[in-house]
Amino acid sequence: EAQVTQNPRYLITVTGKKLTVTCSQNMNHEYMSWYRQDPGLGLRQIYYSMNVEVTDKGDVPEGYKVSRKEKRNFPLILESPSPNQTSLYFCATGGTGNEAFFGQGTRLTVV
Amino acid sequence: AQTVTQSQPEMSVQEAETVTLSCTYDTSESNYYLFWYKQPPSRQMILVIRQEAYKQQNATENRFSVNFQKAAKSFSLKISDSQLGDTAMYFCAFLYQGGSEKLVFGKGTKLTVNP
Repeated sequence: EAQVTQNPRYLITVTGKKLTVTCSQNMNHEYMSWYRQDPGLGLRQIYYSMNVEVTDKGDVPEGYKVSRKEKRNFPLILESPSPNQTSLYFCATGGTGNEAFFGQGTRLTVV
Repeated sequence: AQTVTQSQPEMSVQEAETVTLSCTYDTSESNYYLFWYKQPPSRQMILVIRQEAYKQQNATENRFSVNFQKAAKSFSLKISDSQLGDTAMYFCAFLYQGGSEKLVFGKGTKLTVNP
């Protein structure tokens, strides 16, 4: 079954404590991306990757890092989370004109 | 830069009736894709329907259809015979193929289907 798996689904953390949200896909897609969803703003792209070792900034990259050491994984790293990064995060693959596959979402709360 | 506008933050419809969600977009490109995604309370993002800009024929998927007006840059979603399970947030999205493959989303329309 084609899947994009994000972990964790829910996370509450404190300001400044580094965290990583993992994303893994089993569809051999080259393209992967991260979005954040905020009420009234829709989904906005944070970072994307066209292939292994190739990453680039999206619309709202400040405060985030990513890496793409292997094709299937694309973790999102918050080195020093702040309350304004409280959001719902989605990992997605594909997006090449065909269906974009989304993970289940990660609800992050930074206190 | 491409933008997507959904002018209806919230809508409601009675079960079995028809409802139309509006979406307009702004782009100078000619080759692109448009999508409608559904997000139920489970938060999962589900593709409802897809339209290629080069196709003049409007896409249809069962009870869901679009009215694609390329010149007017309009892409509305019509839901026929609304069902309670259609209650969700609906997002219109634009994809320009040739750049970063980035989906640009509207802010969403919250649809409630009433029994």
